[in-house]
Amino acid sequence: DAKTTQPTSMDCAEGRAANLPCNHSTISGNEYVYWYRQIHSQGPQYIIHGLKNNETNEMASLIITEDRKSSTLILPHATLRDTAVYYCIVRGVSGKLVFGAGTILRVKS
Amino acid sequence: EAGVVQSPRYKIIEKKQPVAFWCNPISGHNTLYWYLQNLGQGPELLIRYENEEAVDDSQLPKDRFSAERLKGVDSTLKIQPAELGDSAVYLCASSLDGGLEQFFGPGTRLTVL
Repeated sequence: DAKTTQPTSMDCAEGRAANLPCNHSTISGNEYVYWYRQIHSQGPQYIIHGLKNNETNEMASLIITEDRKSSTLILPHATLRDTAVYYCIVRGVSGKLVFGAGTILRVKS
Repeated sequence: EAGVVQSPRYKIIEKKQPVAFWCNPISGHNTLYWYLQNLGQGPELLIRYENEEAVDDSQLPKDRFSAERLKGVDSTLKIQPAELGDSAVYLCASSLDGGLEQFFGPGTRLTVL
């Protein structure tokens, strides 16, 4: 399964869009990009996933570059409750979720 | 709908003692996972069950860790004997047929003194 690279931490002002980048330059054609987040003292929570098209749901949007080597998770209007660790994961044919250290997103008022 | 239930939420034991964690997955989810999460790191898969069968236990330290899911519903993860380095959060997750989304429980925080 391909590895991912994410910034260690990011800050975002409340009400603004939070854009979380992820590099996955070794991704294969049949591997999906997944995003989970983990709020303090809770288990990880699924956010969104995609293969090559951009995806949007009630929580976020996922933008995947045309070459699929990177992606961006967008939280359109960040709130204080979005403060969490965000994990970008490439899920391969094994079906395993291999978590890295993630990005700590701090939303500030 | 109830989520993944884990108990206890917190456990403090002395080294060399045994400890067990319990997980009840979401109703109808046949795939169950146990993860280990060390401080400041992402979760790491220990074992995955499809119904009663452990289909991936390659990361489970079998000298001291064991797991069971006898009736294909709830599961128990055991450590015997516990070591200082086992202090971590143990997460359980479930999904439908190993599907796209895994649902995680709140975890059990183990402290070994």
